[in-house]
Order: sequence, then structure tokens, then C-alpha cells
Amino acid sequence: AQTVTQSQPEMSVQEAETVTLSCTYDTSENNYYLFWYKQPPSRQMILVIRQEAYKQQNATENRFSVNFQKAAKSFSLKISDSQLGDTAMYFCAFSARYNNNDMRFGAGTRLTVKP
Amino acid sequence: ETGVTQSPTHLIKTRGQQVTLRCSSQSGHNTVSWYQQALGQGPQFIFQYYREEENGRGNFPPRFSGLQFPNYSSELNVNALELDDSALYLCASSSGVSTEAFFGQGTRLTVV
Repeated sequence: AQTVTQSQPEMSVQEAETVTLSCTYDTSENNYYLFWYKQPPSRQMILVIRQEAYKQQNATENRFSVNFQKAAKSFSLKISDSQLGDTAMYFCAFSARYNNNDMRFGAGTRLTVKP
Repeated sequence: ETGVTQSPTHLIKTRGQQVTLRCSSQSGHNTVSWYQQALGQGPQFIFQYYREEENGRGNFPPRFSGLQFPNYSSELNVNALELDDSALYLCASSSGVSTEAFFGQGTRLTVV
């Protein structure tokens, strides 16, 4: 069974600063995807970034980047130049590569960006 | 916003009743997955439909059932509602089981 653990229930950061959200996972699969989703108060899950396990290079999307450590089963999200609109719940998720619509999510981290 | 729409947005039901939630997938998408998100938790995978057939199921009892129609829209049915079924129910659609999933805004179900 796959499990995803987010050990930081809440975090806060000052606007324009950098914050890192942590995620660890456990799986026996060799080929898989890892995701970070953002869920604002509107409730809609929005994909922030996706990492394919067989790619060694860390994924980057504008201000968002990940630190993927496959051996340690760690997948952290770094948000640079934090903006007020980044305030939301952030979920780390895992899926096997053959079906990335069956995702297993962590419990989430509530991020607040302070002005 | 994605093209995935869910209805209704909010619903209140009584314990023991039955409920049907609906999901209209994004144009061109043939795969729909359903998730249950209890308050303060991450979403949990209920099941997935691919081209009108169930294609995987999470750890949910048989009273959670679903359908996918020829136009790839989907329904989630829950029988004999329990208080613990109160949650946000999310639908996600994609153009295949290995492609990016897009989520709807969810249906908030309250069981009293």
C-alpha cells in the first residue's frame, strides 16, 4: 500500500519570502508520479507541479520547485517569492505511473502568506 | 477553472437516505475518478470509471457505487447514508488513465 505523510499541519510565510513544504511517501512501486496540489477556499484542487519518479531532474514551474529524493522517499515543495494568492491548503499526492488518476493524498499543509 | 462541473454544490441528507452526486467531465475526457474528502483531511480515492467500466476501487463499502454514461459523465451513488459520509466529494476527469486529472469544485454533503 502507498502512504503519503505531510508532517506540517500549518505553516506561514511573509510575502515575498521562500517557504518549503515537506512530504514523505512509502511505496514498493518503481515507476510512479508525485504531485503537489493547491486547494484554495473555492475547494477546487489545482495541480501545482508534477514529478515523474524516473526523471532525476527536479521539476520546476515558475516560482514552484521540488526537491525529489527518491532513495529517501522525500518530495518537498519550495515556493519562492510567496504571494498572498498562495494562501491555501497544499496536498502532496502519489500515483502509480500506470494510473495517475488513482491518487493517494497526504493530510495537507495549511499555508498562510502574511502581508 | 477546469471544464469539470459537479452538481449539486451543497446537499443535506438524513441518515439512512440515499444520494446521487453528478459529474460532467471535461470535453474529450473518458476517465472519471471520485474522491471523498472529510473535513481536515486529504482526499481519499473511491473509484474510477474508464469508458463506462469501473477501473479501480479504493477502500469503500459496496453502498458506494457509480456509473459512467456514454457521454462520459458520471454519477456517484451512496446508499444507507451514515453520519461519517459527511464530506466534500470531488470528481476528477482526464483523457486517459495516465494523463493529468482535472478536478471539479466538489459537492459538500452533510448527513444529519
